[in-house]
Amino acid sequence: QSALTQPASVSGSPGQSITISCTGTSTDVGSYNLVSWYQQHPGKAPKLMIFEVSKRPSGVSNRFSGSKSGNAASLTISGLQAEDEADYHCCSYAGGGTYVFGTGTKVTVL
Amino acid sequence: EVQLVESGGGLVNPGGSLRLSCAASGFTFSTYTMNWVRQAPGKGLEWVSSISSTSSYIYYADSLKGRFTITRDNAKNSLYLQMNSLRAEDTAVYYCARVDSNNYDYWGQGTLVTVSA
Repeated sequence: QSALTQPASVSGSPGQSITISCTGTSTDVGSYNLVSWYQQHPGKAPKLMIFEVSKRPSGVSNRFSGSKSGNAASLTISGLQAEDEADYHCCSYAGGGTYVFGTGTKVTVL
Repeated sequence: EVQLVESGGGLVNPGGSLRLSCAASGFTFSTYTMNWVRQAPGKGLEWVSSISSTSSYIYYADSLKGRFTITRDNAKNSLYLQMNSLRAEDTAVYYCARVDSNNYDYWGQGTLVTVSA
């Protein structure tokens, strides 16, 4: 159950697009289309932004999109806005009723 | 409105025990799998444990090595985490989260557990 690997930080200017990677293994990300992404502002609880690799919950902006290739998933934020500045965490089902989270990425809007 | 409210956190000595609770409201608690997820200071999220709606299926992170026990009381709409033999590395904010189709769709605000002498 090793954590999924994410870049520690990603930054971009308002209006730009950024992509956060999430690298796992053939036993988690590579085996299931059950990758989700969570946004977390300082001192707040995480919020579901993407589920099942690329689906958006009701109410989440379509500026957020997800994808997966092999053992890696990614979250893209287009039209970056100041309110997007937060920590982002990926998560994958890892089989046997277990889950694994990523190391987390701090997004900074320049 | 779905609400999850954790309680029971605090300061505990290494080797001590603590029991966390999560009070659920606004949904039919007995039909959902529930999880505990923790976050050490300045770190990422870490999955801790999962319990199915009827407690038939229970899973733990390997790193816990039998020190933690997850339970639930559907009559009281409550989730629990009994933590024994606590270590400094267990210091974290502990969140309870509802699971819907393998996603965490609702989270509590968390309760801080500090393990220190």
